[in-house]
Amino acid sequence: EDQVTQSPEALRLQEGESSSLNCSYTVSGLRGLFWYRQDPGKGPEFLFTLYSAGEEKEKERLKATLTKKESFLHITAPKPEDSATYLCAVQASSNTGKLIFGQGTTLQVKP
Amino acid sequence: EPEVTQTPSHQVTQMGQEVILRCVPISNHLYFYWYRQILGQKVEFLVSFYNNEISEKSEIFDDQFSVERPDGSNFTLKIRSTKLEDSAMYFCASAGGGAFTEAFFGQGTRLTVV
Repeated sequence: EDQVTQSPEALRLQEGESSSLNCSYTVSGLRGLFWYRQDPGKGPEFLFTLYSAGEEKEKERLKATLTKKESFLHITAPKPEDSATYLCAVQASSNTGKLIFGQGTTLQVKP
Repeated sequence: EPEVTQTPSHQVTQMGQEVILRCVPISNHLYFYWYRQILGQKVEFLVSFYNNEISEKSEIFDDQFSVERPDGSNFTLKIRSTKLEDSAMYFCASAGGGAFTEAFFGQGTRLTVV
């Protein structure tokens, strides 16, 4: 069964304190791995797509990496506005674009 | 910047009533999805829709659910007879570069069944 597990569930950082979020997955033929940001009461906001092991994508303070079993979202020198829930999702080759989500990591960055 | 629009933002309905949740996907997108998120839980896939037909549906998407693209711009989710456990945030999403490209989500409709 296709599955996504994110850790930690919650993370509290001081402003400027860099860290990484983990997304482990088991899927029958990965077509893509996606990172989204979700603010309370809002819809997921697209951040990155990764398609193959070794791929990296960057956007401002965020960098996403992918291996054959997991993905990391690295946050460098975070700011309070980076506080949100970060969702990881995968698409398997056997389906029609459906996303399978992890439970998310809720990040709080304190000033 | 193009965005997915959902209405209403919040709907309260009585158990057993029918509800229709509405979505306007990004205009040149061809792949459409509904997801739901029960409070405190994962985002769950409900259904995907392409070329005017359902391409995949989850176990959650039973006979009480239906989707429709009544015109060139709207995409709707109907729940025929709502249950308490249907209370959740419902998200519409659309993708334009193919089924396996990034999907863009709307802000959601919070459905409360009382």
